[in-house]
Amino acid sequence: GAVVSQHPSRVICKSGTSVKIECRSLDFQATTMFWYRQFPKQSLMLMATSNEGSKATYEQGVEKDKFLINHASLTLSTLTVTSAHPEDSSFYICSASDRGGYGYTFGSGTRLTVV
Amino acid sequence: QQQVKQSPQSLIVQKGGISIINCAYENTAFDYFPWYQQFPGKGPALLIAIRPDVSEKKEGRFTISFNKSAKQFSLHIMDSQPGDSATYFCAASSLRSNYQLIWGAGTKLIIKP
Repeated sequence: GAVVSQHPSRVICKSGTSVKIECRSLDFQATTMFWYRQFPKQSLMLMATSNEGSKATYEQGVEKDKFLINHASLTLSTLTVTSAHPEDSSFYICSASDRGGYGYTFGSGTRLTVV
Repeated sequence: QQQVKQSPQSLIVQKGGISIINCAYENTAFDYFPWYQQFPGKGPALLIAIRPDVSEKKEGRFTISFNKSAKQFSLHIMDSQPGDSATYFCAASSLRSNYQLIWGAGTKLIIKP
């Protein structure tokens, strides 16, 4: 089945630094990938939709200058958290579909802790 | 109208019992209803999904029941096992909204041995 690889699984960074999270579709091409944020004991919150070769579409309230998304190829999307602050600490998850929108595969998530 | 309401928030079931989680929606344009299973510290994994042209879909111990007129769908886990303990999310999407998943709030399921 479709596999989405997400790295790193855990990262701790200092306030003010930037962190990059990678999301790769291993055995299929993904023209669209989605980035989510999940707080403890809560549902997934869509942050942005990443489209290969074009600018990402951000959800209302998500700072596009803080959460930089790049979808440079059909198999790779990256999320960079810039100038990270403790409130950016969260679980970030990417997803993609190999079936035209039905049946999304999710990455294993990245636990970001900003100290 | 974009919301998907999920209940209960948490559920404790004895091993071997039936776990039932319910979801309701308002948007009649939704045409795809998946259920995801998420273990702590992991991303969600697709468990089972249904389209509105059928009323029930079964895969092993997992069954989705779909009631189009009531705009409700539910997940039944038969013979629940401790390994089923996880958080379950229902979701819905439509071609009209470019397949963006609208998520339920999640149900934390605990199966007691």
